[in-house]
Amino acid sequence: AQTVTQSQPEMSVQEAETVTLSCTYDTSESDYYLFWYKQPPSRQMILVIRQEAYKQQNATENRFSVNFQKAAKSFSLKISDSQLGDAAMYFCAYSQYGGSQGNLIFGKGTKLSVKP
Amino acid sequence: DAGVTQSPTHLIKTRGQQVTLRCSPKSGHDTVSWYQQALGQGPQFIFQYYEEEERQRGNFPDRFSGHQFPNYSSELNVNALLLGDSALYLCASSLGPASSISGNTFGSGTRLTVV
Repeated sequence: AQTVTQSQPEMSVQEAETVTLSCTYDTSESDYYLFWYKQPPSRQMILVIRQEAYKQQNATENRFSVNFQKAAKSFSLKISDSQLGDAAMYFCAYSQYGGSQGNLIFGKGTKLSVKP
Repeated sequence: DAGVTQSPTHLIKTRGQQVTLRCSPKSGHDTVSWYQQALGQGPQFIFQYYEEEERQRGNFPDRFSGHQFPNYSSELNVNALLLGDSALYLCASSLGPASSISGNTFGSGTRLTVV
């Protein structure tokens, strides 16, 4: 069975600084998707960034980028120029590629605090 | 553009009772997935509905059941409530069952408390 592990329950960053959140996963599949979701106090899960396993290039979305190491099964999220609005729970998630297997497997999350 | 709408936002029930949670998907989406998020945990997949049928199911007992209507909205039913069913229940909609490919849109959830 696939699993997702986030080893940092809490992280803190100064406004305008850079922070990296860690995620490791376990799967025997070769094709899959990895995601980072943000959950603010409003509770709605918001997609931050997505990575297809078959793509070697790391995904980037504005201030958010990932370091995808397929052999090491590692998928970290880097937030640059941190803003107060980035404070939230961040969840790493895995999904098997293709077919109807669309369900997401989440880690336990990392609570990010941003200090002004 | 209406996103995913869930109702009610909060609910308190007594052990042994039954509860129904509702979800209206984002406009244009035809697939609904339900997740349970216990306090301090990540969401866990309950099941997914597409074309009014349950297409996938996670590791949840038969007390958890669902339904999808012709307008794509969905209900989650939980029978014989246990204290451990207290959680945030999230609904996610997508276009097609391969939702990780097409992308999920989540609602803000229903907070269920069982006393």
